[in-house]
Amino acid sequence: GAVVSQHPSWVICKSGTSVKIECRSLDFQATTMFWYRQFPKQSLMLMATSNEGSKATYEQGVEKDKFLINHASLTLSTLTVTSAHPEDSSFYICSVRAGDTEAFFGQGTRLTVV
Amino acid sequence: GQNIDQPTEMTATEGAIVQINCTYQTSGFNGLFWYQQHAGEAPTFLSYNVLDGLEEKGRFSSFLSRSKGYSYLLLKELQMKDSASYLCAVMDSNYQLIWGAGTKLIIKP
Repeated sequence: GAVVSQHPSWVICKSGTSVKIECRSLDFQATTMFWYRQFPKQSLMLMATSNEGSKATYEQGVEKDKFLINHASLTLSTLTVTSAHPEDSSFYICSVRAGDTEAFFGQGTRLTVV
Repeated sequence: GQNIDQPTEMTATEGAIVQINCTYQTSGFNGLFWYQQHAGEAPTFLSYNVLDGLEEKGRFSSFLSRSKGYSYLLLKELQMKDSASYLCAVMDSNYQLIWGAGTKLIIKP
């Protein structure tokens, strides 16, 4: 299966600052990557679909100006949380889908905004 | 609307068998997935069912009935390391994954 590397694994930042999370597909050229957010004891919530070379597609209720997604190559997508606030503290996970059968996840990033 | 239902929490004994149920109502169906997620970690793939019936993979088996909108994950010979959350997800007609909230499985010695 595809190997997906996500960095950093955890980050603490001050309120008002921006944080960038990287998602790399190490052995698979991913034209599409997915960004999820997961609050404690809740399900994965799709935030946006990242498309290589074009604009990301955001889910309803997700602010595109706050959660900037860049998918500049077939192996790298980045999510930048701008002007982070404590309510943005969550577990952010990226995934790559190989065909229609399986999703491969990065390790996840635990973001804590203080 | 689209909906995935699974129990919030289950408890089982080491060495025993446990069945985690999942019912779904989605716009179309292109397969059902089960994932295991340990606390603080990303989900890992367990199984994929697109046709009715039972798929067996070692200690884990997954069953699907499309007519009933129902699946279950069966875990045999439970081990302490099986303590985790188990997520049911359905791929809808747009090939988008719809996720259940997960079932937290607690294994007791």
